Amino acid sequence: EVQLVESGGGLVQPGGSLRLSCAASGFSFSDAWMNWVRQAPGRGLVWVSRIHSNGRDTVYADSVKGRFTISRDNAKNTVYLQMNSLRVEDTAVYYCASDWFYSTDYWGLGTLVTVSS
Amino acid sequence: DIVMTQTPLSSPVTLGQPASISCRSSQSLVHSDGNTYLSWLHQGPGQPPRLLIYKISNRFSGVPDRFSGSGAGTDFTLKISRVEGEDVGVYYCMQGTQAPYTFGQGTKLEIK
Repeated sequence: EVQLVESGGGLVQPGGSLRLSCAASGFSFSDAWMNWVRQAPGRGLVWVSRIHSNGRDTVYADSVKGRFTISRDNAKNTVYLQMNSLRVEDTAVYYCASDWFYSTDYWGLGTLVTVSS
Repeated sequence: DIVMTQTPLSSPVTLGQPASISCRSSQSLVHSDGNTYLSWLHQGPGQPPRLLIYKISNRFSGVPDRFSGSGAGTDFTLKISRVEGEDVGVYYCMQGTQAPYTFGQGTKLEIK
């Protein structure tokens, strides 16, 4: 059974940092591209970032470019999202999702990030 | 970025009746490899999204055949042949042809 479990969310002040983790199991993680998608409370889905299976090729939404960094550890079956210079508008549930034909097939339950003073 | 526009934004439907959602992209979703990376996802209340359809019309594993996708270029449609109670929630179209991936605003399906 495919499982994606996010962790690392919480309350942080504007300008602060958080690192999210997503632990994967039940599929060949080292072959999979992985995504982070976020959803602000009561709002729609917004794609944040994607990382190739090789760990080198990454893509970001303009809204997070230069502040967020996606990475992965294939030995630990884990993908990360380092979030720096957080803003109030980054408040959202952050989901990790595996890539399937430039879409997203399996999703975790998400982790809530709240940026507030 | 490619803008995805869904209509309607809300759809009250009677159980057992069909439903249809449209999605239009601001530019063609035909990739240089010849494929069109348009997918549909469903988010039930309090749940993460799940993939229904990928590459316009391919049902993902375990998705009932009452769901079907069609379209080409910039215009796409998701159809549910007979709505069941578990189908309530929000439906999103998503394009993966060009980075960044982008989603439609979502269409809320509710039972009359």
